[in-house]
Amino acid sequence: QQQVKQSPQSLIVQKGGISIINCAYENTAFDYFPWYQQFPGKGPALLIAIRPDVSEKKEGRFTISFNKSAKQFSLHIMDSQPGDSATYFCAAKAAGNKLTFGGGTRVLVKP
Amino acid sequence: DTGVSQDPRHKITKRGQNVTFRCDPISEHNRLYWYRQTLGQGPEFLTYFQNEAQLEKSRLLSDRFSAERPKGSFSTLEIQRTEQGDSAMYLCASSSKPGSFSKNIQYFGAGTRLSVL
Repeated sequence: QQQVKQSPQSLIVQKGGISIINCAYENTAFDYFPWYQQFPGKGPALLIAIRPDVSEKKEGRFTISFNKSAKQFSLHIMDSQPGDSATYFCAAKAAGNKLTFGGGTRVLVKP
Repeated sequence: DTGVSQDPRHKITKRGQNVTFRCDPISEHNRLYWYRQTLGQGPEFLTYFQNEAQLEKSRLLSDRFSAERPKGSFSTLEIQRTEQGDSAMYLCASSSKPGSFSKNIQYFGAGTRLSVL
């Protein structure tokens, strides 16, 4: 049973554009929501994370928006660059520390 | 070494053989996790340790899988009688102790890619 649903599966954006990735969760016990970036042949690397008591968090060109009532959160990549081309995973953590990941979004930024 | 190290990076084996992977976490991280990632999917949790104690195991971890962390430092994941369905990337991650500022952050290694022929 997939507890974190991620969309879209892939997206193409022009350099300088905005990439938007959405995730929805079911388990209200989740208390930490990170986003990971993964390049081919590499392990996932933490990009940015948010707690459910915060509606938005921004770090550089990356912003998480969080809607607790809708059980949804999203990642916005502003001014997308070719170096941002990677697969992005949303995740959620409940007590016990294990992460539940979404299915991933492959982002391609065209120059 | 400032990152999580996994060995080997790639493993090709024949069906029915046993394989063992090693993970060296970030120094002084007391939590260590194993995940499995198949092509085009997100990582799936397998198990995790706090120090040498294995605290949680996923239903994905069949009887053919065993993980150890004998001294609370490095960990091994063994798969016995491998099957073609075991082909995947096996990822290890570590995080610092509860109560620390960065306790929630899991740092991943580059993974071991297993191919079962």
